[in-house]
Amino acid sequence: KAGVTQTPRYLIKTRGQQVTLSCSPISGHRSVSWYQQTPGQGLQFLFEYFSETQRNKGNFPGRFSGRQFSNSRSEMNVSTLELGDSALYLCASSLIVRGRWASGNTIYFGEGSWLTVV
Amino acid sequence: GENVEQHPSTLSVQEGDSAVIKCTYSDSASNYFPWYKQELGKGPQLIIDIRSNVGEKKDQRIAVTLNKTAKHFSLHITETQPEDSAVYFCAANRPNNSGGSNYKLTFGKGTLLTVNP
Repeated sequence: KAGVTQTPRYLIKTRGQQVTLSCSPISGHRSVSWYQQTPGQGLQFLFEYFSETQRNKGNFPGRFSGRQFSNSRSEMNVSTLELGDSALYLCASSLIVRGRWASGNTIYFGEGSWLTVV
Repeated sequence: GENVEQHPSTLSVQEGDSAVIKCTYSDSASNYFPWYKQELGKGPQLIIDIRSNVGEKKDQRIAVTLNKTAKHFSLHITETQPEDSAVYFCAANRPNNSGGSNYKLTFGKGTLLTVNP
């Protein structure tokens, strides 16, 4: 079974540009979330999508946005890039299973997209 | 919101020794605690997790313990091997308002584990 797939793996952008990152979740997983990882701030939650709807959002500016398609694939976009946006962007997916102790809590990460802003 | 503290930030052990990494969380409503291993250039890999209805869970050389009263949980790796060298992250997750998962993890800052041959 294929894992979470993210593209592109590496990219370099210039300040002021925008970038779109793509994520394909594990087959059957309908929840997709995004995280930013930097040496200074660690792993921080960006947002989570289920059924094409954003259900949860972290403390990031409006320049960070995302969407989910009907096949559960997701994209995130960062507009007006700043140097501080340089980071590893991680996508994660999870099953949606009802119930408080549901195994659907388990969250699996992809290899990430390395973004460098120059 | 939830805050997760992780210690130590670096840990160096000899091959065959045990390693222990500790985390504390602030939100008493958190009920799911996964541990991830991240190797250089790769994404975090889930190695073990525990839910708040149990106090301990083991998987071969890896174990996790949870103390809900003190709000801390620990990762124990026995008989360490050089391939265990990586950054380890703990995380906490609380239910949403309906009692189900909110699929949002709050992470600790990570522990760089080095296992010396």
